[in-house]
Amino acid sequence: AQKITQTQPGMFVQEKEAVTLDCTYDTSDPSYGLFWYKQPSSGEMIFLIYQGSYDQQNATEGRYSLNFQKARKSANLVISASQLGDSAMYFCAMSGINDYKLSFGAGTTVTVRA
Amino acid sequence: EAQVTQNPRYLITVTGKKLTVTCSQNMNHEYMSWYRQDPGLGLRQIYYSMNVEVTDKGDVPEGYKVSRKEKRNFPLILESPSPNQTSLYFCASSSGGGAFEQYFGPGTRLTVT
Repeated sequence: AQKITQTQPGMFVQEKEAVTLDCTYDTSDPSYGLFWYKQPSSGEMIFLIYQGSYDQQNATEGRYSLNFQKARKSANLVISASQLGDSAMYFCAMSGINDYKLSFGAGTTVTVRA
Repeated sequence: EAQVTQNPRYLITVTGKKLTVTCSQNMNHEYMSWYRQDPGLGLRQIYYSMNVEVTDKGDVPEGYKVSRKEKRNFPLILESPSPNQTSLYFCASSSGGGAFEQYFGPGTRLTVT
């Protein structure tokens, strides 16, 4: 069984500052993938970034980076230079590499202040 | 444009009246899935399908049915909806298992009274 924990229900961040969203996970799968999705107020789910458990380097996609610490079972998302459009709910999710099930955390709401 | 479509986007219905939410993808993906989103619980998987005629239960399958007769379509059926099925529903597809991004539809907001 897989479990994703996001302990921050809501956060405020000042525009242009960086913000870190926490995500810890638990799994018995030897190989797995970690994902972050963004859900703006309009409701759609937008894929942001992926990290494989076997990847040696932390994933980066533009202003998004994933701070992957395998021994601590954590996969925190860092958003640099926050923009007003980053205000949204963010979900951490994971799946076994050979699995078809994506398990989600409860989400963290980020509000960017001007 | 590569996309996953769902219909209807919004639905208000009454307890016990059968309904179907359609899902279609144009990316030739083998894998499709249904999730429901409830406040404080994130998204939970209802059913998934690895290919045509191959489906399996997710975490919360009770009260739902699915079918996969064509690769592009994966409808979600509520035979006798109940108020506890009021939720936001997402269909998703991907080209493989856990190493692949899932593409989500726009969501269907269902209210059962």
